Amino acid sequence: EAGVAQSPRYKIIEKRQSVAFWCNPISGHATLYWYQQILGQGPKLLIQFQNNGVVDDSQLPKDRFSAERLKGVDSTLKIQPAKLEDSAVYLCASSLNRVNEKLFFGSGTQLSVL
Amino acid sequence: DQQVKQNSPSLSVQEGRISILNCDYTNSMFDYFLWYKKYPAEGPTFLISISSIKDKNEDGRFTVFLNKSAKHLSLHIVPSQPGDSAVYFCAATNQAGTALIFGKGTTLSVSS
Repeated sequence: EAGVAQSPRYKIIEKRQSVAFWCNPISGHATLYWYQQILGQGPKLLIQFQNNGVVDDSQLPKDRFSAERLKGVDSTLKIQPAKLEDSAVYLCASSLNRVNEKLFFGSGTQLSVL
Repeated sequence: DQQVKQNSPSLSVQEGRISILNCDYTNSMFDYFLWYKKYPAEGPTFLISISSIKDKNEDGRFTVFLNKSAKHLSLHIVPSQPGDSAVYFCAATNQAGTALIFGKGTTLSVSS
């Protein structure tokens, strides 16, 4: 079974630039998550999709972050403009459904904002 | 406000001994708890879970204990192996399908 695919693995940008991350979840998984993990912290939810609808985006900084999940499969997360404090690992995860399901994570994208 | 707390940033154990990782939570609505393990440059991987209707769940060398009245859970690894060296995250959720909320993690180092 193929895992959650993410790209790129690493990205270095300057502040105020824009960046986009891509995620392909495990086939058949209805729920997709984007988490932000700052060094020394646990993963923090940014947005949760159920198929192509948003379930929870309460912690997404909507003035600069946006995410979409077209056709209920792949997803992209964008930051525009980036700030220094956005430096983190961005993790995509998927699960079969929303309730009491273990999440499968991708390897993440390491973002450095200079 | 942290709803899931792992108060020990690190733990060092000798190979063959028991590792005990602790986790506390504040939200009484949580009813499902998971432990994830993370190696450097990889995403977290699921290790073991427990529902609030149980107080213990075992899988090989890994056992999770849940004390609902104390809002506390612990992960026991027996015997510990060098390959267990990783960051361990405690996570919690509920029947409403809330996304997992993670603690800050505990770095386990198992020396041979």
